[in-house]
Amino acid sequence: SQQGEEDPQALSIQEGENATMNCSYKTSINNLQWYRQNSGRGLVHLILIRSNEREKHSGRLRVTLDTSKKSSSLLITASRAADTASYFCATGVTSYDKVIFGPGTSLSVIP
Amino acid sequence: DTAVSQTPKYLVTQMGNDKSIKCEQNLGHDTMYWYKQDSKKFLKIMFSYNNKELIINETVPNRFSPKSPDKAHLNLHINSLELGDSAVYFCASSQEATGNSPLHFGNGTRLTVT
Repeated sequence: SQQGEEDPQALSIQEGENATMNCSYKTSINNLQWYRQNSGRGLVHLILIRSNEREKHSGRLRVTLDTSKKSSSLLITASRAADTASYFCATGVTSYDKVIFGPGTSLSVIP
Repeated sequence: DTAVSQTPKYLVTQMGNDKSIKCEQNLGHDTMYWYKQDSKKFLKIMFSYNNKELIINETVPNRFSPKSPDKAHLNLHINSLELGDSAVYFCASSQEATGNSPLHFGNGTRLTVT
């Protein structure tokens, strides 16, 4: 069964606005990762946050993790048209020794 | 300089045929994977190899047979292709096999079975 679920499924914003995507998961995790996929391309790793971390930043990206609520959020600040892509959360689950992906959020940034 | 490269990029074939997809990584990673992405973009792991040894096989039909000649290569052979096999297949690699390190993906092979 699916481990992660992103919310919303689709998001459309104006360039310059912030975009927030949420991810919920079901079981205990070692880490949570966010990936971006541009149309027709492979997934690109953005950030990995470990279960003992609460927040992580990378450039315009900010990821939070709340293990008590089994949820994470990805914030993209000052969005650009080039941020248009699908964003996936993925959980690293020790008992499975693998990374399990959610269904993704499709982000459209309108210039 | 592509880190994870897979060929071909597109594959169009008829039902019942046998086809192969090749994958190579130059990152020095020990672990390689095959993922299948369906038309709704849902990504599901199929296989994982660590140092040429199969460690994950996610109840994939035995028409799918991965082969790892060395730790830099993981190929996928599919026998007796079916319409439902149409999808995008991604190869990936990671430093660790435990799910604790980022995955590096190839650009995918879009398989269309007619």
